[in-house]
Amino acid sequence: SAVISQKPSRDICQRGTSLTIQCQVDSQVTMMFWYRQQPGQSLTLIATANQGSEATYESGFVIDKFPISRPNLTFSTLTVSNMSPEDSSIYLCSVGVGATDTQYFGPGTRLTVL
Amino acid sequence: QQPVQSPQAVILREGEDAVINCSSSKALYSVHWYRQKHGEAPVFLMILLKGGEQKGHEKISASFNEKKQQSSLYLTASQLSYSGTYFCGTLSQGGSEKLVFGKGMKLTVNP
Repeated sequence: SAVISQKPSRDICQRGTSLTIQCQVDSQVTMMFWYRQQPGQSLTLIATANQGSEATYESGFVIDKFPISRPNLTFSTLTVSNMSPEDSSIYLCSVGVGATDTQYFGPGTRLTVL
Repeated sequence: QQPVQSPQAVILREGEDAVINCSSSKALYSVHWYRQKHGEAPVFLMILLKGGEQKGHEKISASFNEKKQQSSLYLTASQLSYSGTYFCGTLSQGGSEKLVFGKGMKLTVNP
């Protein structure tokens, strides 16, 4: 398994501002993912964070809105830019571990945009 | 393509059994099961691989029917701690290495 930490755990932000969420893993991993989970909903993949290259975004998510960095094999950041109340969600990072790429999730960042 | 989970919600008394189903329209390479308690992150329970290999939780079992593109999670003699939302995530054969999650099944276990 992997131990994953995220910062901040929660935040309340004003419309139009940006928030950067950090994800730290206790071991080197190839695959890191960022998910969004709106209240009572399923897990929606935002992007795959690739070390040494641009992140790969899913349909409906764009780099200008959700820029991602992956400077090394243990760390990634997700920025939620120009926030609106619709961005209020839990944001989770996840890593794939082992030959079967079993995914483990970080504790999440609960974001409220006013 | 998002897998379909059924039922959407179940209420049990402690000690009763439950089955959670997950089906896909695509041929699957693996199925991953998670449990999420309110306000917490999803916790990995089990992975089922094409070819029948199974890894995961010692008190929860699961099956994977590759031909039917279905998986079921079996919770026997449920405990209060089993309450939460159960998600299946699927990896398609020949697809990218990205899990696609179902909408979840909310399980409530009462004393």
